Amino acid sequence: NAGVTQTPKFQVLKTGQSMTLQCAQDMNHNSMYWYRQDPGMGLRLIYYSASEGTTDKGEVPNGYNVSRLNKREFSLRLESAAPSQTSVYFCASSEAVYNEQFFGPGTRLTVL
Amino acid sequence: DQQVKQNSPSLSVQEGRISILNCDYTNSMFDYFLWYKKYPAEGPTFLISISSIKDKNEDGRFTVFLNKSAKHLSLHIVPSQPGDSAVYFCAADNAGNMLTFGGGTRLMVKP
Repeated sequence: NAGVTQTPKFQVLKTGQSMTLQCAQDMNHNSMYWYRQDPGMGLRLIYYSASEGTTDKGEVPNGYNVSRLNKREFSLRLESAAPSQTSVYFCASSEAVYNEQFFGPGTRLTVL
Repeated sequence: DQQVKQNSPSLSVQEGRISILNCDYTNSMFDYFLWYKKYPAEGPTFLISISSIKDKNEDGRFTVFLNKSAKHLSLHIVPSQPGDSAVYFCAADNAGNMLTFGGGTRLMVKP
C-alpha cells in the first residue's frame, strides 16, 4: 500500500500561471483534505471532501478550487498563482471526518 | 486569531530525559485532540489522541494529558530518544468538522 501519494513533489510557477496538484489514496478512505503549511502557522485547511461527491471550504479557500474525481483522487487547482501561495501543500485522507488523518509527503510550491 | 497555540517553537532535551510539549486552545467546543509528528520532507504522522471525556491517554513512551478547565494539553515523551527529534503539532477537532493545528514545536533530543 502506497498510502497517500502526491504529485508533483516540487513546482515553480510564475505569477498568474495555473496548475493542479494531484492526490490519490489507496486506503479506501471516505474523506480527503488539502492543507498548506507555512512557517510558524502549522497546517491550515484549504478544502476538504467528507465523501465522494462533496467538497467544502476550510479555513483558507481563497484562490483555490478542488475536485473530488472519485473516491481515490482529490485534486487542488490554482487558477492564477500568486506569491502568497508559496507554501508546502499536504493532502490527507481519513475513514471519516472524525478519524485519524493520514498525510502524503507534500508538494513544495514556489510562486515567483 | 489562532485557536490552537504551541508557544514554544523549539525544545532541546537530553537523551533519556523527559520531553514535555505544550499546547493551549481557546475554543471550548473542541472535543478531540491529536498529536502529529513530522520529519523533514515528509508528511505528518499521527502519534496519539485524546477525547475530551478523558484527562490522560498513554501509548508506550507517549502520554497525552488534557486539562479542560485550563484549555491545555501536553505530550510527555519518556524516555526521549534521538529518533524523536522532529516537529510536533497538536491539533483539535470540533465535532468532526475539521482539524485546527497549532504552529508546531521542534524537538531536538541530544545523544
